[in-house]
Amino acid sequence: EAGVTQSPTHLIKTRGQQATLRCSPISGHTSVYWYQQALGLGLQFLLWYDEGEERNRGNFPPRFSGRQFPNYSSELNVNALELEDSALYLCASSLGGGGSNTEAFFGQGTRLTVV
Amino acid sequence: KNEVEQSPQNLTAQEGEFITINCSYSVGISALHWLQQHPGGGIVSLFMLSSGKKKHGRLIATINIQEKHSSLHITASHPRDSAVYICAVNRGNVKLIFGTGTRLQVFP
Repeated sequence: EAGVTQSPTHLIKTRGQQATLRCSPISGHTSVYWYQQALGLGLQFLLWYDEGEERNRGNFPPRFSGRQFPNYSSELNVNALELEDSALYLCASSLGGGGSNTEAFFGQGTRLTVV
Repeated sequence: KNEVEQSPQNLTAQEGEFITINCSYSVGISALHWLQQHPGGGIVSLFMLSSGKKKHGRLIATINIQEKHSSLHITASHPRDSAVYICAVNRGNVKLIFGTGTRLQVFP
């Protein structure tokens, strides 16, 4: 069974551009989570989607947005890129509802570099 | 002060050694996760605990809810265990609060 897949694995953008990152969850999972791991910092929660709706977001500016499609895959969009947006972006999926005892499975990440 | 603290930050070991990584948290939690992050960034979920002890192969995870403490043990360590190990907690919702990780290097 395929795990959580993310694309692209690497992405290089210039400051001010927009970046789109994609995530396909494990089959049967309806919840998708996005996390940012900036250099030297720990993982930070970005967004949670479940059943096509944004359920929760972390402490990030509105230029970080996303959506979840009917097939439960998800996109993370980062507008007006800034140098400090350079980070590893991780996606995780879990069974729906996102209850606190629901185990999440992680993808390999997309490394975004803003120059 | 971080809500989730891990120790040590860095750990080196010789192949075959028994390894312990500790995680302490200061908030009430509903579950605790141990994650393994390989070079390049990919993360694997090792354990999810809400009480007691779990074992998978050479890995053992324990949690003491009263003491707000968890440990991850690796028996008979191997160079392929070299990775960053991350502790994360749920606070009754889906947001995970992550520790800063423990970088483990196991030498042959």
